[in-house]
Amino acid sequence: NAGVMQNPRHLVRRRGQEARLRCSPMKGHSHVYWYRQLPEEGLKFMVYLQKENIIDESGMPKERFSAEFPKEGPSILRIQQVVRGDSAAYFCASSRTSGGNSVDEQYFGPGTRLTVT
Amino acid sequence: LAKTTQPISMDSYEGQEVNITCSHNNIATNDYITWYQQFPSQGPRFIIQGYKTKVTNEVASLFIPADRKSSTLSLPRVSLSDTAVYYCLVLNQAGTALIFGKGTTLSVSS
Repeated sequence: NAGVMQNPRHLVRRRGQEARLRCSPMKGHSHVYWYRQLPEEGLKFMVYLQKENIIDESGMPKERFSAEFPKEGPSILRIQQVVRGDSAAYFCASSRTSGGNSVDEQYFGPGTRLTVT
Repeated sequence: LAKTTQPISMDSYEGQEVNITCSHNNIATNDYITWYQQFPSQGPRFIIQGYKTKVTNEVASLFIPADRKSSTLSLPRVSLSDTAVYYCLVLNQAGTALIFGKGTTLSVSS
């Protein structure tokens, strides 16, 4: 069973360009989470999605950032008009369920390292 | 959301037992305590989760006192490959987002 896949692993964009980060959850997982990690910092939650629905986007910046998880295909985190401050590692995680009688662990992908020049 | 406090860094030598303590004074009744491990340039990896008393798996043990206001992750006989950042998190059954602090950077030397 393949783990969470993210691509690209490294992405370089110039200021003002768009960045598209892709995440394929583990097989059988229908919950996807995106996190951002700045150097020397812990991960910060951005958005939680289920198929075709955004459940919680409380960590998403109000502008330029969007996320989707279509019925078919990977989840996409899209950053428009990137700025240098967007440079970070972006991690995707997936889980089988959320809530219920236990807390399912989240499985993380290897991350996409975005560099804005 | 319960806030956690843990040491910024710890040093150890190979073969020693390492105990990392986390404080979570505002933990709620439905909250679980979960630990993740992160190696450089990798995503975090689940280590262990518990609600009360003691939990043990093939990697670590988690000790939780009766008041649940703290927890201790115990790594038996660490090796160089255990050098990583260890995050203590508190989350409830309805929780979705994981709230990460800065974690504890464990450095294991030979």
